[in-house]
Amino acid sequence: GQNIDQPTEMTATEGAIVQINCTYQTSGFNGLFWYQQHAGEAPTFLSYNVLDGLEEKGRFSSFLSRSKGYSYLLLKELQMKDSASYLCAVRDSNYQLIWGAGTKLIIKP
Amino acid sequence: IAGITQAPTSQILAAGRRMTLRCTQDMRHNAMYWYRQDLGLGLRLIHYSNTAGTTGKGEVPDGYSVSRANTDDFPLTLASAVPSQTSVYFCASSEGRGSDTQYFGPGTRLTVL
Repeated sequence: GQNIDQPTEMTATEGAIVQINCTYQTSGFNGLFWYQQHAGEAPTFLSYNVLDGLEEKGRFSSFLSRSKGYSYLLLKELQMKDSASYLCAVRDSNYQLIWGAGTKLIIKP
Repeated sequence: IAGITQAPTSQILAAGRRMTLRCTQDMRHNAMYWYRQDLGLGLRLIHYSNTAGTTGKGEVPDGYSVSRANTDDFPLTLASAVPSQTSVYFCASSEGRGSDTQYFGPGTRLTVL
């Protein structure tokens, strides 16, 4: 079966750095996505990785290792507005997105 | 403002009733999707459409039907609602099936009693 694993919840301090991990087992691989979802709102796109390595976009970076079936999202200089759920999704061989359950990130002052 | 709209925002429905959730996008995207999101589970694909006039089944299609008469609209119908269909429903679109980014509508919160 296809499976995406990520921690259910994480807590971090404002101004700090946090890393959210995602491991996956899917039928084929055509890219990995990270989305942000604030409570009661729609998911919004953060990043896309299809090749191994680090993609940096401002305070957010995403890393991919295809051989290990592993990705992480790195958030720097945390702000209170970063409190949200972070969803990892893998596009499989049928170009269907398989979604993790999401990691709820709580930011404390 | 370009984007995706969904209606209604929320709905309480008696079991056995028929319900259509509406979704409209003005980005001229070819591909559209319907997902449901339940607590503790990832988004699950119900149905999708690669282009106007075509539809396909996702991971959890039973009890749902869709149509894609034109590029902009992608309604989701529950023929006879059951309590297990209580969920938050998101419509999404992308330029194409293999495009990088899916854009999501604001969601419909549906409660079936």
